Amino acid sequence: EVQLVESGGGLVKPGGSLRLSCAASGFSFGHAWMSWVRQAPGKGLEWVGRLKSNTDGGTTAFAAPVNGRFSISRDDSKNTLYLQMNSLKTEDTGVYFCTTDRAVAGTGFDHWGQGTLVTVSS
Amino acid sequence: DIVMTQSPDSLAVSLGERATINCKSSQSVLYNSNDKNYLAWYQQKPGQSPKLLIYWASTRESGVPDRFSGSGSGTDFNLTISSLQAEDVAVYYCQQYYSTPPTFGQGTKVEVK
Repeated sequence: EVQLVESGGGLVKPGGSLRLSCAASGFSFGHAWMSWVRQAPGKGLEWVGRLKSNTDGGTTAFAAPVNGRFSISRDDSKNTLYLQMNSLKTEDTGVYFCTTDRAVAGTGFDHWGQGTLVTVSS
Repeated sequence: DIVMTQSPDSLAVSLGERATINCKSSQSVLYNSNDKNYLAWYQQKPGQSPKLLIYWASTRESGVPDRFSGSGSGTDFNLTISSLQAEDVAVYYCQQYYSTPPTFGQGTKVEVK
């Protein structure tokens, strides 16, 4: 069974930093592209960024609102994905979901974690 | 970026009746090399994470009940629930993954009338 478990959320002041983790199991994590998607309170879904597998180059892409402030990395030996968030703004508040990203395969984001809440407030 | 627009924003349907949600993309999401539409539908129940229902515009994900169906091509798509059940109360999102950034519609809330 595929499992994605996010952690690391919490309350942070504007301008601060936070690192989220996503522990993966039940599939070949090292070959998987992964994405982060967020959801502001009471709002819709917004893609944050993507990290390709190392076998596909290991490159990243980000949504415009977070580009230059957020980074994504992975530790395939630990089956864990990370989202480093710097220079946080109040508008970054929301639930952050880790997802398997099979866009290239054509089948969308087929597994999601339960999410972790990030609150940016003074 | 491709803009995804869903209609309506909310929908109230009687149990056992049909519910249809429309999703329009600002440009085609049909990949000509394989004739596939890079369009997915997700269901998000209250307090839960989203769940993939349909990909390639019309292919049901494994385990999804056959009362859910997707149709359309190019820029105009529909998600239909043929006979609404109580457990289908949720917000439904379309998403294009034809190009980066992948983008979502604003969501359609489905309730029981």
